[in-house]
Amino acid sequence: GAGVSQSPSNKVTEKGKDVELRCDPISGHTALYWYRQSLGQGLEFLIYFQGNSAPDKSGLPSDRFSAERTGGSVSTLTIQRTQQEDSAVYLCASSFSGRAYEQYFGPGTRLTVT
Amino acid sequence: AQTVTQSQPEMSVQEAETVTLSCTYDTSESDYYLFWYKQPPSRQMILVIRQEAYKQQNATENRFSVNFQKAAKSFSLKISDSQLGDAAMYFCAYRRSWGGSQGNLIFGKGTKLSVKP
Repeated sequence: GAGVSQSPSNKVTEKGKDVELRCDPISGHTALYWYRQSLGQGLEFLIYFQGNSAPDKSGLPSDRFSAERTGGSVSTLTIQRTQQEDSAVYLCASSFSGRAYEQYFGPGTRLTVT
Repeated sequence: AQTVTQSQPEMSVQEAETVTLSCTYDTSESDYYLFWYKQPPSRQMILVIRQEAYKQQNATENRFSVNFQKAAKSFSLKISDSQLGDAAMYFCAYRRSWGGSQGNLIFGKGTKLSVKP
């Protein structure tokens, strides 16, 4: 079946602009995670969604970052007023509630802020 | 807080040989999961192997096996009969067993594995 998909694959933006990154999880997966992968910080957890519950935003680095998940499926990560330190690969993962320990990752979006 | 440490930034192995990647972690919990993920240049994170902390038996998946030493908080990955396609970044990861809002993965910094023909 189809895996986790993310778009765009690559995004170049100017400092100060807003960007939206999209994640489409595997059908039927209720849990969705966003991670950030950067050279300096490695892989970091950003935000977690479980069904229709309030998201766990504990990993978001600043209030410029926000995310939503519509209808328990597609998720959008928004970064406002981008900074150069936001340059990274943003990875999305989803899991099935019955096997929550198995997270399936998308190919990521490489964000470059110039 | 839990931490995961991979002390080998880079490793190299000859094709068909065996290589072991190291990982140590720190936690005060008794039940958890440990994982090895592979990330090729395509960026796709692929689950290689999983170990439940309550299981004493080491997990194996074809050419991949782990040496899980719970008391020492060590979790190494052994790749046997290395193939060119094994070349990638390998990440060790930890996850609490009861998940929920704390079910995110905690990753090590990764080990870049090169396979020489």
